[in-house]
Amino acid sequence: RKEVEQDPGPFNVPEGATVAFNCTYSNSASQSFFWYRQDCRKEPKLLMSVYSSGNEDGRFTAQLNRASQYISLLIRDSKLSDSATYLCVVTGTDRDDKIIFGKGTRLHILP
Amino acid sequence: ETGVTQTPRHLVMGMTNKKSLKCEQHLGHNAMYWYKQSAKKPLELMFVYNFKEQTENNSVPSRFSPECPNSSHLFLHLHTLQPEDSALYLCASRAGDRNEQYFGPGTRLTVT
Repeated sequence: RKEVEQDPGPFNVPEGATVAFNCTYSNSASQSFFWYRQDCRKEPKLLMSVYSSGNEDGRFTAQLNRASQYISLLIRDSKLSDSATYLCVVTGTDRDDKIIFGKGTRLHILP
Repeated sequence: ETGVTQTPRHLVMGMTNKKSLKCEQHLGHNAMYWYKQSAKKPLELMFVYNFKEQTENNSVPSRFSPECPNSSHLFLHLHTLQPEDSALYLCASRAGDRNEQYFGPGTRLTVT
């Protein structure tokens, strides 16, 4: 099993729709989880952290399922500007420096 | 956003050249990272520095040589590169007590 695995997509979704991505991780002792967004030819930018209790930021909702070792990102009322690659990030144990990026899921919002 | 800056933003170099990439973070972080991202490929971790000490070298060829003189600055010295080294080189920093990384805009390197 890969350390962090994501469906590469692309997800082609009409504007206004709801879209969800999942990301699985292999190390059950992983500490922290994040979603990053990367636009074409730009650097990754932190979208949101993922907390055990789940968290929401506007149209974005992130959830963590430790038992099944996956995190999810839900985007409601999708906008054209949401088109990007979404990277799942998992950190190591005991606050080591290992930060593992998934390969990303490409999202295209269609007008 | 100017939290993490990188220079130059674009670099074209021949295989016999020597050049350096610079990264500076203004966030008070103490961990800094170099990543390579080739076209349509995921991020590849190259080096990690924590409190100026290198804590990870991800089997990177010796033609890439990192330097971290202090917690705010990170360099990547390049020499005798190959065309397959052409990529976006990203620097990131992280605070010691948190795990979020913040990235610089990257240097787009082309080796001819």
